[in-house]
Amino acid sequence: AQTVTQSQPEMSVQEAETVTLSCTYDTSENNYYLFWYKQPPSRQMILVIRQEAYKQQNATENRFSVNFQKAAKSFSLKISDSQLGDTAMYFCAFMSSSGGGADGLTFGKGTHLIIQP
Amino acid sequence: DAGVTQSPTHLIKTRGQQVTLRCSPKSGHDTVSWYQQALGQGPQFIFQYYEEEERQRGNFPDRFSGHQFPNYSSELNVNALLLGDSALYLCASSFGLAGVNEQFFGPGTRLTVL
Repeated sequence: AQTVTQSQPEMSVQEAETVTLSCTYDTSENNYYLFWYKQPPSRQMILVIRQEAYKQQNATENRFSVNFQKAAKSFSLKISDSQLGDTAMYFCAFMSSSGGGADGLTFGKGTHLIIQP
Repeated sequence: DAGVTQSPTHLIKTRGQQVTLRCSPKSGHDTVSWYQQALGQGPQFIFQYYEEEERQRGNFPDRFSGHQFPNYSSELNVNALLLGDSALYLCASSFGLAGVNEQFFGPGTRLTVL
């Protein structure tokens, strides 16, 4: 079984600063997907960024980028030029590529990110 | 284009009762997954439906059951409710393979068991 660990329950930074959220995972599989999801107070889970394990290049989406270290089983999220709207719970998640995703996502416990004005 | 919708938004039940939660997937999606999110925790995978069949189930008892209809909408049923079933229940939809294709989540149903 896979596990996902987020060691930072809460983080707080000033607007416009850069912040990095940590995530480690444990799996014996070689092919898988990793995700960062954002859950604002409205509760709707929104995909921030996705990384396929077979791709060495780190994924980027505008102000969001990841540092994927496959050997270390680490998948951190960097948010540049943070904005007040980035305030939310952030979840790291794992999905096996075998079975076509039928096993669903395995989530960490989340990091509550607060952007201060 | 409507995204994933769930009903009801909130629900209050008492121990021992049964509950049915509903999910309509995003237009064009045929796969529906259900998750339980306890307060302060990450979501936990309950099961996934594709072509009206349960493809895979997480570590949940048989009290949790589901159904997918020909129009791809889905229901989650929970029997003999326990206090520990109080949680936010999230539905996610995707087209075909959930890993290759993005899963879109609904806003959830907040279930409170008294």
